[in-house]
Amino acid sequence: EPEVTQTPSHQVTQMGQEVILRCVPISNHLYFYWYRQILGQKVEFLVSFYNNEISEKSEIFDDQFSVERPDGSNFTLKIRSTKLEDSAMYFCASSPTRRNTEAFFGQGTRLTVV
Amino acid sequence: KQEVTQIPAALSVPEGENLVLNCSFTDSAIYNLQWFRQDPGKGLTSLLLIQSSQREQTSGRLNASLDKSSGRSTLYIAASQPGDSATYLCALSMDSSYKLIFGSGTRLLVRP
Repeated sequence: EPEVTQTPSHQVTQMGQEVILRCVPISNHLYFYWYRQILGQKVEFLVSFYNNEISEKSEIFDDQFSVERPDGSNFTLKIRSTKLEDSAMYFCASSPTRRNTEAFFGQGTRLTVV
Repeated sequence: KQEVTQIPAALSVPEGENLVLNCSFTDSAIYNLQWFRQDPGKGLTSLLLIQSSQREQTSGRLNASLDKSSGRSTLYIAASQPGDSATYLCALSMDSSYKLIFGSGTRLLVRP
């Protein structure tokens, strides 16, 4: 069964460093998303991406964050200068279309900023 | 602003019991509602998707209902098993947005 895959599963980085989280969405899906979950808190939306551009972003998704689809399969989230409060589980998701469809989530990348 | 609430926050039941998890929302202009399962430290597994025009969806021992006018959805789990132990999340999207808005989840423990 097709699935969303994320790498790495766990990343530890020093404060101020750049990190890139990688995702391979399901191959025929058109919409891509990043969410995050800080330990003990709700899953929060970060950004949605369609047709090679951001379609919606939350107030969390500030200038420190960027997304890219560098080729036909990968979807990346970059955090330019990590802060302690960026420590969270980051989930990538994809869906075939916007309308009447399920979002499928990856297993997540646990980012720890020290 | 849409708020999604799940009650109870935690639930412990003996194996075999039928149970209901609740999800409520404040704005009825939803597009669809999705129930997920999350195991500790793991990703989200989609269980059921209900379109705004639907009243319920079933998959195996799971049945999800939606009542937009009252701002509620329920997830019914029949004949619960220890393997059902996990956190169950509801999430919805609005007509005007791409994002999913999540509740805080119900942590379920099914005791053997």
